[in-house]
Amino acid sequence: GNSVTQMEGPVTLSEEAFLTINCTYTATGYPSLFWYVQYPGEGLQLLLKATKADDKGSNKGFEATYRKETTSFHLEKGSVQVSDSAVYFCALRSSGGSNYKLTFGKGTLLTVNP
Amino acid sequence: NAGVTQTPKFQVLKTGQSMTLQCAQDMNHEYMSWYRQDPGMGLRLIHYSVGAGITDQGEVPNGYNVSRSTTEDFPLRLLSAAPSQTSVYFCASSYMIQGSSYNEQFFGPGTRLTVL
Repeated sequence: GNSVTQMEGPVTLSEEAFLTINCTYTATGYPSLFWYVQYPGEGLQLLLKATKADDKGSNKGFEATYRKETTSFHLEKGSVQVSDSAVYFCALRSSGGSNYKLTFGKGTLLTVNP
Repeated sequence: NAGVTQTPKFQVLKTGQSMTLQCAQDMNHEYMSWYRQDPGMGLRLIHYSVGAGITDQGEVPNGYNVSRSTTEDFPLRLLSAAPSQTSVYFCASSYMIQGSSYNEQFFGPGTRLTVL
């Protein structure tokens, strides 16, 4: 079955530090890959996505590249801000016309200090 | 658009009580789903639906029932609450366009349930 493994947290950084959150996956075929963000007390929001190998998703200064050879989709940001403090989830959706279910990693809590 | 709405935001139950968590969306999405979020476990799929009258089980369906009588609503029923069902519950919905990369899932704000 499908699975997503992401870096255990919590991660604590100072403002303007570089961020990497690792994510690897197991799936058959060519899944779509996503990063969701959950701010305190809120639901999940889509941060970025990539639907095929070598695609780079980007949003709000965050980037992730779909690497099929290493089955990875690591999240990066060059300079984090206090407002980036949140829980980040890596997720995949299988390829195939009728499969819309998401499989999530366990989440990584990021705290950015001023 | 209100997006995906969930009620209530918070609920406390006693063991054995029943209740229904409400979920509604106004985006005409075909696909709707329920997840539970537990510390260190990420989100796990409980039930999902691909249209009115069609539902199916996810990863952790035991103790929960769902129905989908309209496109807009997808209630989740706890028949006899247990402490193991203490969790945060999220409803999500999306379009179902085959082969499209635009089937983003939109999440509601969640219901925090405590079972004593």
